Amino acid sequence: GQQLNQSPQSMFIQEGEDVSMNCTSSSIFNTWLWYKQDPGEGPVLLIALYKAGELTSNGRLTAQFGITRKDSFLNISASIPSDVGIYFCAGLNYGGSQGNLIFGKGTKLSVKP
Amino acid sequence: NAGVTQTPKFQVLKTGQSMTLQCAQDMNHNSMYWYRQDPGMGLRLIYYSASEGTTDKGEVPNGYNVSRLNKREFSLRLESAAPSQTSVYFCASQARGALNGYTFGSGTRLTVV
Repeated sequence: GQQLNQSPQSMFIQEGEDVSMNCTSSSIFNTWLWYKQDPGEGPVLLIALYKAGELTSNGRLTAQFGITRKDSFLNISASIPSDVGIYFCAGLNYGGSQGNLIFGKGTKLSVKP
Repeated sequence: NAGVTQTPKFQVLKTGQSMTLQCAQDMNHNSMYWYRQDPGMGLRLIYYSASEGTTDKGEVPNGYNVSRLNKREFSLRLESAAPSQTSVYFCASQARGALNGYTFGSGTRLTVV
């Protein structure tokens, strides 16, 4: 089945640093999504990307939908302690046999004040 | 608006006991999903229901059963709990044709001893 490779698995950074993480796939997707999971909570949608090449920002977050439709990256600028959590990429295709959304394994972000 | 509500939030079971995890959404969404989350494994799909009256197996269905009781509710049952089912369980829902992925509940943390 379809799989997403998300990297890095974990990051330990200093407050104020920029963060970059990415997802790649052997299959193309129609939509790329980025979720954040705070400790003890469910994932919450951060950014949705709908077109190849699209670059979208949400505050300090910027995400891009790769031209090949097989990859996406998420950048966080000037990290703060509340950025701590697990970030998941997800690819969305309609009509999939195992649900519509395929998730990466997540990037765990730790921020030192 | 409550969104997706999961009960209970925490549960400890003895090996062999049974229990049902409850999930309800108030957003009139068509599709509902059950995931489990384990360290380093990301989110793995257990079962899903594309619409009221239908259910399908996901990636890791063994040891679980589901019931789509009505459009709002989708329950997950463990008939004979095993320590390998210790995990955090998330329910999610999605509107028909939604381009922004799923809405998740806040999870049920289950420990089987």
